[in-house]
Amino acid sequence: GQQLNQSPQSMFIQEGEDVSMNCTSSSIFNTWLWYKQDPGEGPVLLIALYKAGELTSNGRLTAQFGITRKDSFLNISASIPSDVGIYFCAGRGGGADGLTFGKGTHLIIQP
Amino acid sequence: ETGVTQTPRHLVMGMTNKKSLKCEQHLGHNAMYWYKQSAKKPLELMFVYNFKEQTENNSVPSRFSPECPNSSHLFLHLHTLQPEDSALYLCASSQGLAGVTDTQYFGPGTRLTVL
Repeated sequence: GQQLNQSPQSMFIQEGEDVSMNCTSSSIFNTWLWYKQDPGEGPVLLIALYKAGELTSNGRLTAQFGITRKDSFLNISASIPSDVGIYFCAGRGGGADGLTFGKGTHLIIQP
Repeated sequence: ETGVTQTPRHLVMGMTNKKSLKCEQHLGHNAMYWYKQSAKKPLELMFVYNFKEQTENNSVPSRFSPECPNSSHLFLHLHTLQPEDSALYLCASSQGLAGVTDTQYFGPGTRLTVL
């Protein structure tokens, strides 16, 4: 099956710093999604990408669908304490493929 | 609030119990999903329903039995579970199964502990 490599696994940063995380795949995806999950809650959709090269922002968050269709990144600018959580990427190939999820990036912010 | 609700939020059960998890979506979507989330593992897709019909069963043991009476409701019936089945069970829904309509929205999950 398809696999996603999400990195880094965890990040310890200072409040105010910018954050960057990415996902790579061994196969081509037609959709990339980024979710955030708070403790004890389900994942919440942050950004959805449907076209190669697409760059989309949602407030301080920016995500891009890689040109090769095998990668995507998520950037968070000027991090704040409520950005803490686990960020998941998810990708979908063509045809009847379902979503494949990365293992998540655990973001920890030190005040 | 994502428009997908799950009950109960927490469940503790013995290995011989029978219990059910419930999911309801208020988004007018046609597809619903069950996922299992265990520590340090990617989300594992269990079942997919589209227009009340099961379209995917990812080799899930028969002790998990899904039921989709209509496009808004999804159940997961649990029977004779094992301790390793303890996990967060997430329900999701999407408008459809392809292209832009397959963006999935998740419920808050049910934290299941099997003793």
